[in-house]
Amino acid sequence: SQKIEQNSEALNIQEGKTATLTCNYTNYSPAYLQWYRQDPGRGPVFLLLIRENEKEKRKERLKVTFDTTLKQSLFHITASQPADSATYLCALDLTGGGNKLTFGTGTQLKVEL
Amino acid sequence: DVKVTQSSRYLVKRTGEKVFLECVQDMDHENMFWYRQDPGLGLRLIYFSYDVKMKEKGDIPEGYSVSREKKERFSLILESASTNQTSMYLCASSVRSGKDGYTFGSGTRLTVV
Repeated sequence: SQKIEQNSEALNIQEGKTATLTCNYTNYSPAYLQWYRQDPGRGPVFLLLIRENEKEKRKERLKVTFDTTLKQSLFHITASQPADSATYLCALDLTGGGNKLTFGTGTQLKVEL
Repeated sequence: DVKVTQSSRYLVKRTGEKVFLECVQDMDHENMFWYRQDPGLGLRLIYFSYDVKMKEKGDIPEGYSVSREKKERFSLILESASTNQTSMYLCASSVRSGKDGYTFGSGTRLTVV
């Protein structure tokens, strides 16, 4: 069956370092992949979308890569800050229609002083 | 600022009650979605709608129904609440293609006792 996998273990890093989160998927080649941020008790917030023909996309301190051969996306936060602490979710449409997302379970990031 | 508004942040209902969760968006989005989020399981799609009076089942529709009489409003109905429906419920909306990301509401934490 189709699956999206994110590391369930929390990632703890020091302020100023680059955080790298991984999203792997199986059995499907989506047209695009999305990343969201979720704070405790709140709804997810859309961050970035990357298309299958884009190897890399940047937005301020965020960078996303998309390797359709490895079926993997990497999400980087450079110069991380304590305010970046949150859970990060990847999502993609497993049906091919382009508008019905399935979400990974997320990886919790903690940035320490 | 664009918004998806969910009518209640916290709700406590008794087993067997009929429960209505309301969601309103002000972005003129065609698509609306209901997810539930549980620890370790991530977000799971209950129902979605691509247009007024249109609905489609998601991955876990059992025990739920929906109503979309107006474009801006999408209601989730628990026909007879059960304790296993205790969860965080999240409403989201998007443009028809879905490629600009989803906008989520803040969520309704429902407890069924």
